Amino acid sequence: EAGVTQFPSHSVIEKGQTVTLRCDPISGHDNLYWYRRVMGKEIKFLLHFVKESKQDESGMPNNRFLAERTGGTYSTLKVQPAELEDSGVYFCASSRLRAGQAFSGANVLTFGAGSRLTVL
Amino acid sequence: GQQLNQSPQSMFIQEGEDVSMNCTSSSIFNTWLWYKQDPGEGPVLLIALYKAGELTSNGRLTAQFGITRKDSFLNISASIPSDVGIYFCAGLNYGGSQGNLIFGKGTKLSVKP
Repeated sequence: EAGVTQFPSHSVIEKGQTVTLRCDPISGHDNLYWYRRVMGKEIKFLLHFVKESKQDESGMPNNRFLAERTGGTYSTLKVQPAELEDSGVYFCASSRLRAGQAFSGANVLTFGAGSRLTVL
Repeated sequence: GQQLNQSPQSMFIQEGEDVSMNCTSSSIFNTWLWYKQDPGEGPVLLIALYKAGELTSNGRLTAQFGITRKDSFLNISASIPSDVGIYFCAGLNYGGSQGNLIFGKGTKLSVKP
């Protein structure tokens, strides 16, 4: 099966501009997650979709970040306006975990290669 | 928020040597995961641990879930050049959103042939 696909792989923008990152999860995976790693720091959770609904968006830094998953397929993460501290690698992950199902090796998260964002 | 302390931050070893890295937390986790990230790729799951005290192997990799549920270690035996990469531990929280993983800062492993 095809893996999690992210686009673009690298984006360089000026402070104040807008960037939209896209994630295509593995087909059939209802769960889609966004994570971010700022240089040298830990990978941090941003939000979690179940199909088209936001299950948990507790990790979103502020209202300059907007995530959508219309139709429950691919997702976009828009940063508007971008600030210097938004630079980092944005990872998308998906899983087939169902509500009430135990977390196990069969439904762990599969990560994409990431989208590197550089804000100048 | 919750944090995982992962050490060491980086390691430079000779091919054939064994490697050990660990993660500790002040909070309890009910699942520990170890991921590896190759350059230009996303993290890939190596080992998942679900029970306190559990010891699991995957080839040359061995990981354990600490009895207190607040720590885990990963060992790599007889390292080879393709072991190079960044290794992350991650914990899943009781009552947390499924997939809301807490990650360590990573251990960067370099292997000299």
